[in-house]
Amino acid sequence: GDSVTQMEGPVTLSEEAFLTINCTYTATGYPSLFWYVQYPGEGLQLLLKATKADDKGSNKGFEATYRKETTSFHLEKGSVQVSDSAVYFCALSDEGNKLVFGAGTILRVKS
Amino acid sequence: EAGVAQSPRYKIIEKRQSVAFWCNPISGHATLYWYQQILGQGPKLLIQFQNNGVVDDSQLPKDRFSAERLKGVDSTLKIQPAKLEDSAVYLCASSPHSASYNEQFFGPGTRLTVL
Repeated sequence: GDSVTQMEGPVTLSEEAFLTINCTYTATGYPSLFWYVQYPGEGLQLLLKATKADDKGSNKGFEATYRKETTSFHLEKGSVQVSDSAVYFCALSDEGNKLVFGAGTILRVKS
Repeated sequence: EAGVAQSPRYKIIEKRQSVAFWCNPISGHATLYWYQQILGQGPKLLIQFQNNGVVDDSQLPKDRFSAERLKGVDSTLKIQPAKLEDSAVYLCASSPHSASYNEQFFGPGTRLTVL
């Protein structure tokens, strides 16, 4: 079945550092890809998405590009802030819109 | 626009007891989902409704879990009887329809502890 693998955390960075969280997927069809974020004490919310190969999703300074050839959707941000500390989930959605999530990566940003 | 509402936010029960969770999706959203999130893992889909019909319940442990969505709006998820391994956060989400590119909007979740 479909699956998502993302890098283990926690990832600890200093403020203004560059962030990369790796995500790779396995899918039989042509899924849509998502990054969801869970801030402390809050619910899951969509950060960005891409619906076809070579699409780039972006939001709040975060970016991810749908790479079909490497089955990847890595999350990047050029300069992280303390307020970016959260748990980040990579996910894919099949034709029926069932989300399959990775295990999540904890990001901690120190000032 | 009001978000997805869930209640209760927290529940502690003894094993073999029963428990029910309630979800009210965003108004007008046809598709409703229940996910189980065990600590340290990503959410896992339990059941998906389109209006008041079940689209996918392949990962729902039907010997103890049940869910319904009467009138295609609110939904209830029940566990009877609960086991220790059911301790998790139960998330409800909704989307306008079931196209794969649709964003799902999540509620705050219900944290269940089974003792």
